[in-house]
Amino acid sequence: QKEVEQDPGPLSVPEGAIVSLNCTYSNSAFQYFMWYRQYSRKGPELLMYTYSSGNKEDGRFTAQVDKSSKYISLFIRDSQPSDSATYLCAMRGGGFKTIFGAGTRLFVKA
Amino acid sequence: EPEVTQTPSHQVTQMGQEVILRCVPISNHLYFYWYRQILGQKVEFLVSFYNNEISEKSEIFDDQFSVERPDGSNFTLKIRSTKLEDSAMYFCATEGARGAVGETQYFGPGTRLLVL
Repeated sequence: QKEVEQDPGPLSVPEGAIVSLNCTYSNSAFQYFMWYRQYSRKGPELLMYTYSSGNKEDGRFTAQVDKSSKYISLFIRDSQPSDSATYLCAMRGGGFKTIFGAGTRLFVKA
Repeated sequence: EPEVTQTPSHQVTQMGQEVILRCVPISNHLYFYWYRQILGQKVEFLVSFYNNEISEKSEIFDDQFSVERPDGSNFTLKIRSTKLEDSAMYFCATEGARGAVGETQYFGPGTRLLVL
């Protein structure tokens, strides 16, 4: 079983839709959970950062962590064409190594 | 907004040659990382560096790789004898205070390395 599983998509939605992106993981030691956005041939850009379980909201973005199910989600409300990118989940425990998911490619159609 | 910078943006080299990739971290950051992303694949951790020493490394980071912070500002990744399979995008990331609320790693734009 992979440490972090993420559906690569692609996921195509109309403008204004609510987007749900998810990752599952197997390592119960993970404590820090991140979502990055990556445009083609660019570096990952931090979107959301959550420590342990719970929800966090920032503008149109909401991150959820359910440690009991080893499941994390990112919701994007009122999606825009500019949200079209690859979304990477990432996580780590108390050490230094961050494990990334494969990334989900999102297309938001105008 | 402060950002991580990397040079060069692109590097083409012959197999067996040495390359040095450079990163300028965000000024008050203390923790430094290198990652690589082979085209079409996921971002992979290579190494972390704190207090002038390696704090953790992956199985990818073998003896042909080394890191240093030669002048207190730049953070470098050296690949001693490049192989075809080293062709990838290499990202530097830096972090302020680990575990602090809202703190995590900020990535540079990457160096695209092509080994011929």
